[in-house]
Amino acid sequence: DTAVSQTPKYLVTQMGNDKSIKCEQNLGHDTMYWYKQDSKKFLKIMFSYNNKELIINETVPNRFSPKSPDKAHLNLHINSLELGDSAVYFCASSRLGGPRAEAFFGQGTRLTVV
Amino acid sequence: GESVGLHLPTLSVQEGDNSIINCAYSNSASDYFIWYKQESGKGPQFIIDIRSNMDKRQGQRVTVLLNKTVKHLSLQIAATQPGDSAVYFCAESSAGGGATNKLIFGTGTLLAVQP
Repeated sequence: DTAVSQTPKYLVTQMGNDKSIKCEQNLGHDTMYWYKQDSKKFLKIMFSYNNKELIINETVPNRFSPKSPDKAHLNLHINSLELGDSAVYFCASSRLGGPRAEAFFGQGTRLTVV
Repeated sequence: GESVGLHLPTLSVQEGDNSIINCAYSNSASDYFIWYKQESGKGPQFIIDIRSNMDKRQGQRVTVLLNKTVKHLSLQIAATQPGDSAVYFCAESSAGGGATNKLIFGTGTLLAVQP
């Protein structure tokens, strides 16, 4: 009954590799996000999708490519991984236009590039 | 542990005391504010929210105060418990729930509850 689930939880990979993180939400929300949390715990939005359409792209390198096959899924593919990509990546979802618009977060994917 | 090397603002309180965590936000057009709690190894979890047409909102053991004049937000936790130990983030949004809604997070404050 997990609301927002991401896989994998941990990902260790070498520089230059390509990897994907998957996210699914079962809350019936229409908007999904990817956030990046750095080593200082700073959380920054990367992308948001509303009804499968890209709404926000926050100056993220084009090595990062989100894909939303349907409203319940938002995956993140990263090409040519770099050391600086090491961080915790959080998927989130929300329902816009309602009385509350808070985002529900997944448990995070800790990416370590070596 | 996870906190090694971190230099988050830290609030240390005794169990049973009240805690007040402060946050300054930057965008005067922000109209929606949320407090999140993040425990070690987990994602941020919603605590309480407030819209800009209010200056106070209460939940279970928590109260959020909003001062738009000085762009300040605070979270008060009554009778703090060891389970309250976590990093607390304030977040602001200026979309009013529209399609370009995005949350801008503050730096985070580490709350350490001493038994």
